[in-house]
Formats: sequence, structure tokens, C-alpha cells
Amino acid sequence: KNEVEQSPQNLTAQEGEFITINCSYSVGISALHWLQQHPGGGIVSLFMLSSGKKKHGRLIATINIQEKHSSLHITASHPRDSAVYICAVRAYNTDKLIFGTGTRLQVFP
Amino acid sequence: EAQVTQNPRYLITVTGKKLTVTCSQNMNHEYMSWYRQDPGLGLRQIYYSMNVEVTDKGDVPEGYKVSRKEKRNFPLILESPSPNQTSLYFCASSLRGLGILSYNEQFFGPGTRLTVL
Repeated sequence: KNEVEQSPQNLTAQEGEFITINCSYSVGISALHWLQQHPGGGIVSLFMLSSGKKKHGRLIATINIQEKHSSLHITASHPRDSAVYICAVRAYNTDKLIFGTGTRLQVFP
Repeated sequence: EAQVTQNPRYLITVTGKKLTVTCSQNMNHEYMSWYRQDPGLGLRQIYYSMNVEVTDKGDVPEGYKVSRKEKRNFPLILESPSPNQTSLYFCASSLRGLGILSYNEQFFGPGTRLTVL
């Protein structure tokens, strides 16, 4: 079993829909990262969380440390949001990142 | 422009022929790391470096070497490449080591697609 699990693996949506991507992990962590990988392959860091909630534009990330769970929400989704979203955790007291396998999101006009 | 650069972007080689993938960052970052990405397995860490002359193994270091002689450069060396090292490789950097509780956004290079025949 992977230490970081994401769901769903694939997600399709119509433009304007509210999107939720989930990440569950089984190790103690000091932080969790959400990354976005575009169809061309480039990877961009979206959020780093150690508690609570962060918002950037239409993106919202939340984390519940006790439940070992994080969610990434996209409000008013747009076709340009189509990408692979990757969750990664920084295991407690290490400098390593452990990655989920990603959620492929396609938003249709 | 703040960035992480990798070269080459694409490489096809043959088994056993030594190769180096370069990585350079212009942000004076202390932490640099190499990852490989494979279908169904996601990103996995190969090696990382907390600072000059300080390197450590990630989860899949076998068959790879790294060095950190200068802060800006972190080359990945494959002494004797094998077909199972065919993958998409990413270099990344951040201001400090990830273990320090401060905002440590990672900046990724554009990726190097390596095929070993």
C-alpha cells in the first residue's frame, strides 16, 4: 500500500463545476504539498500546508492532521485547470518528499 | 528570471554509455533534489542535497550518482545506464531543506526525458 494515496485517479468535469481532489497519507508528516503538472510536463508548486487551510485564487487546500487527509478544491473550474494534480508529504523529521501518483483532471468547455 | 534549468531535455542513449544530466538554479537555493517519474509510480526521489558537499540518498538511488560542488549546480550521473532507467527526470530546488518549518516552495526544472536502449 502506498504511503500517499490520491483519489480519484481520473476526473472529468464541465467548465464551472466545483472540483475536489483528495489525498490520504499513512505517515507522520511535517508538511504537505500540492503540485500541478501541465500536459507539457512542467511541474508547479501550488501549496504547502502544515495545518488548516490556504487559498490562492480559485484554489483552496485544506489539511486535517489528525485524520491524515488533505483536499484540494477548485472553484468555478476552467479548461485551463486541466492537469495532473499531485499530493506530496514531507515525512516528519526528514528532508524527503513522498508523492502520490496524481489525479488527472480534464475540464471540458 | 528565477528558474531551474536542466540539460539535455531529451536524450536517447544505449546501455552502458555514461551520461550526465545537468541541473542549475539561479535562486541561491540551498536544497536541490532529483526525481524520476514513471507511469503508475508517480514521482520518486533519487538523491537530494541540503547544501554544497552535502548529499543524501532518496528512495531510489541505485544506479545514480550526484555531486554538489557549487551551490547552483547539482548534476545527475548515470555511470552505466540500463533500460530500467528510462524515465522522465526532474530536478528541483528550494530555499532551505524541507525539514525546516518555513515556507519552502519547490521550483521544478522542465524535465529530461531519457530513453536507454
